[in-house]
Amino acid sequence: KAGVTQTPRYLIKTRGQQVTLSCSPISGHRSVSWYQQTPGQGLQFLFEYFSETQRNKGNFPGRFSGRQFSNSRSEMNVSTLELGDSALYLCASSLGFIGETQYFGPGTRLLVL
Amino acid sequence: GENVEQHPSTLSVQEGDSAVIKCTYSDSASNYFPWYKQELGKGPQLIIDIRSNVGEKKDQRIAVTLNKTAKHFSLHITETQPEDSAVYFCAASRTGTYKYIFGTGTRLKVLA
Repeated sequence: KAGVTQTPRYLIKTRGQQVTLSCSPISGHRSVSWYQQTPGQGLQFLFEYFSETQRNKGNFPGRFSGRQFSNSRSEMNVSTLELGDSALYLCASSLGFIGETQYFGPGTRLLVL
Repeated sequence: GENVEQHPSTLSVQEGDSAVIKCTYSDSASNYFPWYKQELGKGPQLIIDIRSNVGEKKDQRIAVTLNKTAKHFSLHITETQPEDSAVYFCAASRTGTYKYIFGTGTRLKVLA
């Protein structure tokens, strides 16, 4: 079974631009979670989607948004990029039921100049 | 708020020795505790997990112990090998939140 895939793998943007990252979960998984990983803050939860509905959201500004499609694929968008948004953005998928294990993709490394 | 503390931040061991990484969580309602290994340039990979109704779980050279009273759980790696070198993260989750709270990571170096 194919794992979680994320595109693109690397991205360079400038301040003020916006970016969209994509995540395809493991086949059959209906939950997609997004995390931001930085050296200073570690892994921080952004949001989680299940069957196109956001079930939980972390403490990030409204510039960070996401959505999920009917095929469970998910996208996250960051508008008005700031230098501090430079990070590895990780997507994780699970079946979506209580206590299910999350499986991570390789991440998208975003550099904001 | 929710928090997971992880120690040590770096750990160097000789090949063949054991390694222990410890985590403490703050949310007493946490009931699921996974451990992930992250190698350079890759996403975190699940290596073992434990639920709150179990005190210990073992998978070959890897074991995890959970002390609910102390809100403490640990990862034990025996007979370490150079390929065990990576960053290890603990995490805690509770029913209904659909999110993990991660520890800050431990960089393990296994010296040949």
